[in-house]
Amino acid sequence: GESVGLHLPTLSVQEGDNSIINCAYSNSASDYFIWYKQESGKGPQFIIDIRSNMDKRQGQRVTVLLNKTVKHLSLQIAATQPGDSAVYFCAEMPPYGGATNKLIFGTGTLLAVQP
Amino acid sequence: DAGVTQSPTHLIKTRGQQVTLRCSPKSGHDTVSWYQQALGQGPQFIFQYYEEEERQRGNFPDRFSGHQFPNYSSELNVNALLLGDSALYLCASSLLGRNSPLHFGNGTRLTVT
Repeated sequence: GESVGLHLPTLSVQEGDNSIINCAYSNSASDYFIWYKQESGKGPQFIIDIRSNMDKRQGQRVTVLLNKTVKHLSLQIAATQPGDSAVYFCAEMPPYGGATNKLIFGTGTLLAVQP
Repeated sequence: DAGVTQSPTHLIKTRGQQVTLRCSPKSGHDTVSWYQQALGQGPQFIFQYYEEEERQRGNFPDRFSGHQFPNYSSELNVNALLLGDSALYLCASSLLGRNSPLHFGNGTRLTVT
């Protein structure tokens, strides 16, 4: 079924530490995944994506890991900064007919960076 | 390069009323999707438009309808508003096709009293 998180998990880290945010996705046939960052009062902001034929992808200060065996995604943020404080969502794109790109969002994680 | 823009930013309506929300996609994008985000939850897919047609729909009643215009902009209409329709309504644009990342606007905060 589709994810409907009611309780937001929270990750609290010290500024400068590395952060790891985890996500379990629901459909083993999903072939595309995206991490979004959502700050208060704003829409989700694209961070990084990964296709199912990869298990790791790196961006600027961020790395996404994909483990299809256990349907698990993680987002690693290096040298976490106060500006990284936000809610982070993973999203999966299950296979549908045609070229539609509907996303299913996971339960968000609140990242709180302590100065 | 303008991103996805939505209007209005906030809206207060009374139960039973109707509302229209508007979205302009990111330059170069041809596909618009609408999502509803309740407080403390992830966005939920409402529907997607391409070439002025609804291509896919989520688990939302017929009170939710939409439209896409030739310039790719879009409207979301909600009739007979219920208290439970209070949420942040997000518009996302992309290129048609799988593996095309969706870019979101900042949403319209709808409050139904």
